[in-house]
Amino acid sequence: GDSVTQMEGPVTLSEEAFLTINCTYTATGYPSLFWYVQYPGEGLQLLLKATKADDKGSNKGFEATYRKETTSFHLEKGSVQVSDSAVYFCALISLQGGTSYGKLTFGQGTILTVHP
Amino acid sequence: KAGVTQTPRYLIKTRGQQVTLSCSPISGHRSVSWYQQTPGQGLQFLFEYFSETQRNKGNFPGRFSGRQFSNSRSEMNVSTLELGDSALYLCASSSSLGGGSYEQYFGPGTRLTVT
Repeated sequence: GDSVTQMEGPVTLSEEAFLTINCTYTATGYPSLFWYVQYPGEGLQLLLKATKADDKGSNKGFEATYRKETTSFHLEKGSVQVSDSAVYFCALISLQGGTSYGKLTFGQGTILTVHP
Repeated sequence: KAGVTQTPRYLIKTRGQQVTLSCSPISGHRSVSWYQQTPGQGLQFLFEYFSETQRNKGNFPGRFSGRQFSNSRSEMNVSTLELGDSALYLCASSSSLGGGSYEQYFGPGTRLTVT
């Protein structure tokens, strides 16, 4: 079945540092890939997405590129801020229908803490 | 557009009771998915409804059920609550149109505590 593996956390950085959170996946066919962010006490917010190989999703300074050859979708940001402190989830949805309908498969989440 | 709304935001129930959670999707979205989030198991898919039909179901016991109404609003029900059902229950909606990326938009969740 489908699966997503994220780098172990937590990740602690100083403000303005470079961020990378690794994400690799296993899926049948060509899934769509997503990064979601969850702030304390809230639901998940869609951060960015990519739907096919070599697509780059970007939003709020965050970027991730859909790499089919390495089955990866690593999240990067050039300069993090304290306000980026949150939990980040990598996810995929398979477009095969059937048992894939409406089912996002998530990684375990990575806690990011950014200090001033 | 208004986002996904979930009610109630917090619930405290006793073992053996049942509970109903409600979700209103983004206007125009016909697909509603439900997830359970716990520290130990992470985010797990419960089920998905589209046009009042359950199209997919995760690996949860029959105590977990749901339905969707003609206006796309959805409810999930948990009967005979167990301590392990304590979790954040998240609802997400999607336009689920062919050719799209099928991204889902989440509500704030319902925090259920079973004592």
